[in-house]
Amino acid sequence: AAGVIQSPRHLIKEKRETATLKCYPIPRHDTVYWYQQGPGQDPQFLISFYEKMQSDKGSIPDRFSAQQFSDYHSELNMSSLELGDSALYFCASSVQGRGNTIYFGEGSWLTVV
Amino acid sequence: AQSVSQHNHHVILSEAASLELGCNYSYGGTVNLFWYVQYPGQHLQLLLKYFSGDPLVKGIKGFEAEFIKSKFSFNLRKPSVQWSDTAEYFCAVSGFSGGYQKVTFGTGTKLQVIP
Repeated sequence: AAGVIQSPRHLIKEKRETATLKCYPIPRHDTVYWYQQGPGQDPQFLISFYEKMQSDKGSIPDRFSAQQFSDYHSELNMSSLELGDSALYFCASSVQGRGNTIYFGEGSWLTVV
Repeated sequence: AQSVSQHNHHVILSEAASLELGCNYSYGGTVNLFWYVQYPGQHLQLLLKYFSGDPLVKGIKGFEAEFIKSKFSFNLRKPSVQWSDTAEYFCAVSGFSGGYQKVTFGTGTKLQVIP
């Protein structure tokens, strides 16, 4: 079965650079979630989208922005990168509604040097 | 607001020991409950889920969890753990907030199984 696809899987950037992560949800899933997991930390919710509109916002820094496109894929844009942004970024998708499971992608490892 | 509490942050067991990880949640409406597992260096994978019906749910790899509504609990169990169960386990609750599905994770429990 198709899963959540994230790209790139690994990314190395320097401080103050920008980075873009992409997420392709499971087909027919209308909701996308972004999570950040720092080394040895728990996943922290960043932001979610439903039908291309932001549905919830968590601890996403102002330097980050995200959007969901008409084909339901989502992009997380990160600017003015800091060392502390080094983390594993998970995308997840689901079908909005009660009783629907959220499925996670394998994550994108971002290292800021 | 919904929240999830996992009381055990780090559990160490010997192989073949029985496992029970606690999870308590708070939410005012109908909840869906999940346990996810994260093996070292990997992504979150669904172990099992509860939506309705039989409060004892069985998942993959011999795991099960029991939903006890009166206690707001959804504890994860396994009768006999293996070294390969070494991982971090996250309890999660899904409810609706502002008209949208919202998922809240617990802080995770690191399980270390000693051969």
